[in-house]
Formats: sequence, structure tokens, C-alpha cells
Amino acid sequence: GQNIDQPTEMTATEGAIVQINCTYQTSGFNGLFWYQQHAGEAPTFLSYNVLDGLEEKGRFSSFLSRSKGYSYLLLKELQMKDSASYLCAVRDLSDYKLSFGAGTTVTVRA
Amino acid sequence: DSGVTQTPKHLITATGQRVTLRCSPRSGDLSVYWYQQSLDQGLQFLIHYYNGEERAKGNILERFSAQQFPDLHSELNLSSLELGDSALYFCASSVAIGDEQFFGPGTRLTVL
Repeated sequence: GQNIDQPTEMTATEGAIVQINCTYQTSGFNGLFWYQQHAGEAPTFLSYNVLDGLEEKGRFSSFLSRSKGYSYLLLKELQMKDSASYLCAVRDLSDYKLSFGAGTTVTVRA
Repeated sequence: DSGVTQTPKHLITATGQRVTLRCSPRSGDLSVYWYQQSLDQGLQFLIHYYNGEERAKGNILERFSAQQFPDLHSELNLSSLELGDSALYFCASSVAIGDEQFFGPGTRLTVL
């Protein structure tokens, strides 16, 4: 099974940087995904890490350390539209199913 | 727009009833996943189908069942509904097993 932890809420100012941490414990790891979800809408894919290191995609970057069971999502140059819930999800090695964390609600203030 | 469609968008029904939620995956995607999202539980994996066959099951209740048809669309059947089944139900699809998943807009089910 999977045990995934991420902070419940974070607040930051427009233009700033925010880092959302995710720790996981898993019986079989096969990749970590980050999704963004606005209230009442579908989750949308942001990033994917399967090897250790940093993946950069525009204003968003994601980092993975498999030995530490740790990932973070870095949001740079925050914009008001970045206010959303950010979900960390771990893919299982045996059946490829995704287990999601409870999500981190990020509020961007002017 | 992810390319995944779900119907209906909203569904209001009574306890004890049965409903069917429908999902059409993106063109070319063989995998369909169903998730339940309630306020207190977050996004919970229910079941995964690949090319018509069940591949993985999550915390899906026995009152719930699903299938994937030859044209790759999928249906989630919820029966003997309870108040606690009120939630957003998402369908997602991917090209192959384990690939990035694209989520549909969801069906909001309200059980009164």
C-alpha cells in the first residue's frame, strides 16, 4: 500500500515562489506524479518523476529522491490563477494504480 | 479540455436507488480509471480497465461495479445508494497502463 503526506494548506504572494513537499511510503514505487486541481474541476497533469533529480517545466519544477521517499513541487513567479489544490500521486509497481495524497491547497494573494 | 468525456455532469437521486455513470476516453486511449472524490477523503482510486479487461481494483464497494465495452467507453454502476456515496466521480484515461492519466470533467452525484 501507499502512505502519502503533504501539507494541507499554503499561502504565498503573487510573484513569489512556493515549494510543496510530499513524502511517501510505498511497498513498490514506480513513479510520482503531480496534478493541479481547481475547485470543482478535474485534476490536470503537471509533472512526472521516476528517477532522482529535478524536472523543470516552465514555472513548475518537480524533484524526487527515491531513497528518502520525498518529492517537492516548486511553483515560481506565482500568479493568481495558480491558486488551486496540488495533488501528489504515487504509482504502484505491481498494478500501476495511482494513490493520491490529500492535496495541498495553495492560496496566492495579491 | 482533456478529451475525456463524462455524462451526466450532475446527478441527484435518492437513497436506495441505482445510477450509471458513463465515460468516453480520449481517442486512442485503452486504459480507463475511475476515481471517487469526496470532501473528507480526497481522490480515491476505484477501478482500472485496460482494453476491456479489469486490471486493478482499489477501495471499490461491492455495491459498485464497472465495465469497459468493445468501443472502449466505460460505465460505473452504483447501486443501493447511500448518503455517503455523494461525491465527485472522475474517469481518467491513458494510452497504456501506467502512462500519464487525463481526467474527465467528473460527475457530481448527490444522494438525498
